[in-house]
Amino acid sequence: AQKITQTQPGMFVQEKEAVTLDCTYDTSDQSYGLFWYKQPSSGEMIFLIYQGSYDEQNATEGRYSLNFQKARKSANLVISASQLGDSAMYFCAMSVGHSGSARQLTFGSGTQLTVLP
Amino acid sequence: DTAVSQTPKYLVTQMGNDKSIKCEQNLGHDTMYWYKQDSKKFLKIMFSYNNKELIINETVPNRFSPKSPDKAHLNLHINSLELGDSAVYFCASSRQGGRETQYFGPGTRLLVL
Repeated sequence: AQKITQTQPGMFVQEKEAVTLDCTYDTSDQSYGLFWYKQPSSGEMIFLIYQGSYDEQNATEGRYSLNFQKARKSANLVISASQLGDSAMYFCAMSVGHSGSARQLTFGSGTQLTVLP
Repeated sequence: DTAVSQTPKYLVTQMGNDKSIKCEQNLGHDTMYWYKQDSKKFLKIMFSYNNKELIINETVPNRFSPKSPDKAHLNLHINSLELGDSAVYFCASSRQGGRETQYFGPGTRLLVL
């Protein structure tokens, strides 16, 4: 069974500062993918960033980067230069499964990020 | 252009009724999913479906059934609605194999009275 743990129910950050949202995972599979999604108060789920288990370099997408530490089974999201619009719930998720099969996402409990002006 | 769309956005209904939620994706993906988000914001997979397999989360009551008329659509039928079914239901889609990022619809907020 797969498990995702997000230990920070809520986080505050000052505008323009960087913030790290923690995520640890547990799986016995060697092939897996790690995702971060953002859910603003409007409710939609927005894909942010992806890291594959075999990717040697940390993923980056604009102001988002994923600090992937495989030995520690962690996949923390780093948001640089926080903006007020970054205030939202952030979910870490994992997919496992073989190529060709439908990969279901297992989600963490989320971290509510509030960016302060 | 909406990549993954769901209708209706809001659904309020009485206990015991049967309802459907529709999902359509125009991304050309061949795998679709249904997730349930409860009142504590926890997201859980219900179904994943492509033309080869339907995977059902074992915790999903058999009152819930996915129906796919074609590759671009995966509808969710719910029979005999119960109070505990109140939640937000998200449809998602992805390609099969490789880096299968799942793209989510806007969600359907279901309230059972």
